[in-house]
Amino acid sequence: EAQVTQNPRYLITVTGKKLTVTCSQNMNHEYMSWYRQDPGLGLRQIYYSMNVEVTDKGDVPEGYKVSRKEKRNFPLILESPSPNQTSLYFCASSSRTGREKLFFGSGTQLSVL
Amino acid sequence: QKEVEQNSGPLSVPEGAIASLNCTYSDRGSQSFFWYRQYSGKSPELIMFIYSNGDKEDGRFTAQLNKASQYVSLLIRDSQPSDSATYLCAVNAEAGSYQLTFGKGTKLSVIP
Repeated sequence: EAQVTQNPRYLITVTGKKLTVTCSQNMNHEYMSWYRQDPGLGLRQIYYSMNVEVTDKGDVPEGYKVSRKEKRNFPLILESPSPNQTSLYFCASSSRTGREKLFFGSGTQLSVL
Repeated sequence: QKEVEQNSGPLSVPEGAIASLNCTYSDRGSQSFFWYRQYSGKSPELIMFIYSNGDKEDGRFTAQLNKASQYVSLLIRDSQPSDSATYLCAVNAEAGSYQLTFGKGTKLSVIP
């Protein structure tokens, strides 16, 4: 089954404790992206990657890191989480054409205390 | 800054009615337009896409695009309670671009 797998589904952590949210897709997609979704602000892009070893900033990259060492994986790293990073996070992937749909993971609800 | 604007709603329609969702975008060079549906607590799922001016129909859904007015809409005919969700408009800025800019979404409630 074609899917984007995100883990964990829920995460509660404390300020400053490094964490990683994993994302993996099995569709051989070249494009992968991370979004955060906050009430009243909609979906905002954090980082995206157009291929292995190619990443770029989205609209809200501050406080986040990503890596794309393999085509299927695109982890999101919060080196020193802060409460304003409490949000619902989605990983997504798509084929290279840019005219195809985004496949979304099931989301990670992160709470930073 | 590319912008995609949607009325946040909530938009309430009775069951069986037509729901009309609207979206405007700022980048006149935008090429591809998408409608995603998102149920509460779930991830967005694509329901329609449109690239050319005019109407595109898929079952109970019709997407309408007017590039001159920078306007895209989604009509849902025979609305069902299961259509109650937030609808996200997304715009791909330019040909070959992967980048989607999302609107903040319109919350639709279909009243039985």
